[in-house]
Amino acid sequence: AQSVAQPEDQVNVAEGNPLTVKCTYSVSGNPYLFWYVQYPNRGLQFLLKYITGDNLVKGSYGFEAEFNKSQTSFHLKKPSALVSDSALYFCAVRDINSWGKLQFGAGTQVVVTP
Amino acid sequence: GAVVSQHPSRVICKSGTSVKIECRSLDFQATTMFWYRQFPKQSLMLMATSNEGSKATYEQGVEKDKFLINHASLTLSTLTVTSAHPEDSSFYICSAGPGNVGNQPQHFGDGTRLSIL
Repeated sequence: AQSVAQPEDQVNVAEGNPLTVKCTYSVSGNPYLFWYVQYPNRGLQFLLKYITGDNLVKGSYGFEAEFNKSQTSFHLKKPSALVSDSALYFCAVRDINSWGKLQFGAGTQVVVTP
Repeated sequence: GAVVSQHPSRVICKSGTSVKIECRSLDFQATTMFWYRQFPKQSLMLMATSNEGSKATYEQGVEKDKFLINHASLTLSTLTVTSAHPEDSSFYICSAGPGNVGNQPQHFGDGTRLSIL
């Protein structure tokens, strides 16, 4: 069975400071990992994915994530947070044997203060 | 990029009413679409997998007679909440992905806020 853990319900950061949102996963095989962002009363927007290759993945809006196989982690990062980055962030995993179906983490609310 | 359109964005109706929600892939064909339910400040719960031309696959605990899914074309899936009651009030989101490859991201509709009075 696959699962995703986002250990922080909320992350608070001042504008201009680095932002990190943590995610760890558990899958039976090789994982496909995704990060999505959700603004209030909206669907999810795709930020980035890791499938294979370089462990550092760059995505939309200046976000990046580092895949760490030994720690089974896929933390989302942004070097300098903006107030507009305040939103709900979801990590998701799909193992190669369950095409299409995503397992989402509980979500992390990011609050960026001016 | 791939676009998924969901309609309506908000529904308010009386208890006992049936409500239909549409999910369209605008610029790609989707043999599979997914329906999720999200409670306030919670994660997405997968309700069912909608398969074009065949029956939907429901997750454990989801009533198939309550949540009817139809996927009659490669660009449209509908979710009908039958005889809705206040406990069905929630945020419903659909997703679809271009291609039949598991490493492609799913693209989400903007969701439907359903409020049953």
